Amino acid sequence: EVQLVESGGGLVQPGGSLRLSCAASGFTFSNYWMNWVRQAPGKGLEWVANINQDGSEKYYVDSVKGRFTFSRDNAKNSLYLQMNSLRAEDTAVYYCTTSPSTSIDYWGQGTLVTVSS
Amino acid sequence: QAVVTQEPSLTVSPGGTVTLTCGSSTGAVTSGHYPYWFQQKPGQVPRTLIYDTSNKYSWTPARFSGSLLGGKVALTLSGAQPEDEAEYYCLLSYSGPWVFGGGTKLTVL
Repeated sequence: EVQLVESGGGLVQPGGSLRLSCAASGFTFSNYWMNWVRQAPGKGLEWVANINQDGSEKYYVDSVKGRFTFSRDNAKNSLYLQMNSLRAEDTAVYYCTTSPSTSIDYWGQGTLVTVSS
Repeated sequence: QAVVTQEPSLTVSPGGTVTLTCGSSTGAVTSGHYPYWFQQKPGQVPRTLIYDTSNKYSWTPARFSGSLLGGKVALTLSGAQPEDEAEYYCLLSYSGPWVFGGGTKLTVL
């Protein structure tokens, strides 16, 4: 059974940091680009970042560049999103996902990040 | 970064046909944007329906189809079912980063 399980969300003050993790199982994790997608409460989807198979290529949405860092550990089948200098507008459910992909479509259940004083 | 635009809401009758579109602030949408379409129902994670403009997955219902239309990318639903009521998002590639559209709330009524 394929699983993507996010963790690390929570309540943080503006300017604070959080590290999200995503544990993958049930598929050949190291073969795929991976992505973070977020969704603010009651709002639409926003693509946040992606990383290639060996971690050498990464892209970010402009609003998080310089603040978020995406990494992966293929030996542990895990993803990490280090989020610094958090802002209220970063409040959202964060999903790790294989999408977009031409062959598979796996999503975690999401982890809620709330940035508030 | 680019802005991707979709109709905020559309309504279709059961059994009817509706076309959702997705445009880019940078100009015409082409196959080079590798367009995707997603469906999200309330309380659920998104599900991908279409990739690379018009390609379907094994799980994509046959009544959904994708195309390029007048400088935009389109998702056509032919023979709408009540279970198709959902939010639909397009996703476009900009040579590395991706951008979602704002979503179209589709009502089947």
